Amino acid sequence: KAGVTQTPRYLIKTRGQQVTLSCSPISGHRSVSWYQQTPGQGLQFLFEYFSETQRNKGNFPGRFSGRQFSNSRSEMNVSTLELGDSALYLCASSLWQGRNEQYFGPGTRLTVT
Amino acid sequence: TQLLEQSPQFLSIQEGENLTVYCNSSSVFSSLQWYRQEPGEGPVLLVTVVTGGEVKKLKRLTFQFGDARKDSSLHITAAQPGDTGLYLCAERGSNYKLTFGKGTLLTVNP
Repeated sequence: KAGVTQTPRYLIKTRGQQVTLSCSPISGHRSVSWYQQTPGQGLQFLFEYFSETQRNKGNFPGRFSGRQFSNSRSEMNVSTLELGDSALYLCASSLWQGRNEQYFGPGTRLTVT
Repeated sequence: TQLLEQSPQFLSIQEGENLTVYCNSSSVFSSLQWYRQEPGEGPVLLVTVVTGGEVKKLKRLTFQFGDARKDSSLHITAAQPGDTGLYLCAERGSNYKLTFGKGTLLTVNP
């Protein structure tokens, strides 16, 4: 069974631009969560989607948003990029909301210049 | 929001040595997970501990959950270069959100 895939793997953007990252969960998984990982703050929860609805949200500004499609694929968008948004963005899928077993993708490395 | 403290932050050892890393909180964990993240990859779940005093073994890795469920440790016996990575502990709160510690970056030198 294929794992969680994230595209693109690397991205360079300029401050003020917006960016969209994509995540394809493991086949049959219905829940997708997004995390931001930085050296200073570590891994921080952004939001979780289940059945096309946002079920949980972390403490990030409204510039960070996401959505989930009927096939469980998910996208996250960051508008008006800031230098501090440079990070590894990780997506994780699980079979159902709240299930312990989350499977992470390799991440998208975003660099904002 | 529960804060998870991991120590040490960095650890560099020689192949064959033993090591222990720690995860602590001032609050009681509902359950605790340990992950390993290798460079260029996402974290991979190693184990979930739920019961106070629980000990789980995964080959050369031994995971302990404190009796009071406020701390956990990961012990690696005879470390190998393949054990190199970032070791993260995480707790899933009542709202299913995972809260991670900042991790211990382990380097095992051949």
